[in-house]
Amino acid sequence: GEDVEQSLFLSVREGDSSVINCTYTDSSSTYLYWYKQEPGAGLQLLTYIFSNMDMKQDQRLTVLLNKKDKHLSLRIADTQTGDSAIYFCADDTGTASKLTFGTGTRLQVTL
Amino acid sequence: DAGVTQSPTHLIKTRGQQVTLRCSPKSGHDTVSWYQQALGQGPQFIFQYYEEEERQRGNFPDRFSGHQFPNYSSELNVNALLLGDSALYLCASSLGSNVLTFGAGSRLTVL
Repeated sequence: GEDVEQSLFLSVREGDSSVINCTYTDSSSTYLYWYKQEPGAGLQLLTYIFSNMDMKQDQRLTVLLNKKDKHLSLRIADTQTGDSAIYFCADDTGTASKLTFGTGTRLQVTL
Repeated sequence: DAGVTQSPTHLIKTRGQQVTLRCSPKSGHDTVSWYQQALGQGPQFIFQYYEEEERQRGNFPDRFSGHQFPNYSSELNVNALLLGDSALYLCASSLGSNVLTFGAGSRLTVL
């Protein structure tokens, strides 16, 4: 079946850039997503990218997609302590609204 | 705009009991999806409702059932609860196949 993998943990200093990586197996994805989850909260959509795009930038967020290698990354510029959270990548496996999520990457921002 | 609202926020049940979780979609949304997020894991798709019918289903047993009402709100029912059903249950709404908006979730503990 479809699989989405992420590294479990990333620690960065405040003000540095963070790069969170994700790999997926399904080649029929239409959209790929990045969600943020703070402790005890639901999922907040950060950004998404159409599968025929290579890059999308939205303020401090940059998404890069390498469709050949099935690799997705999220770069957060000027990382702040408020960015500390778990970040999930997800793909729609070509079926609208049925998302397959990775296990999440915990981002820790240190002073 | 109230966004997606879920109730209850927390509940405790014992093995073998039944539980009903409720979800009100974001205003203007007509599709509701349910996800289960076990501790330390990414959310897993349970099912999706559109026009009061189950449109898609993930790999969950028949103990998990749902309903959508004419006002687009939805319920998730789980029968014969197992310890492994302890999780955060997330409801997400969308307008058709568009981007999902998640609620804060209902945290179920089964003792």
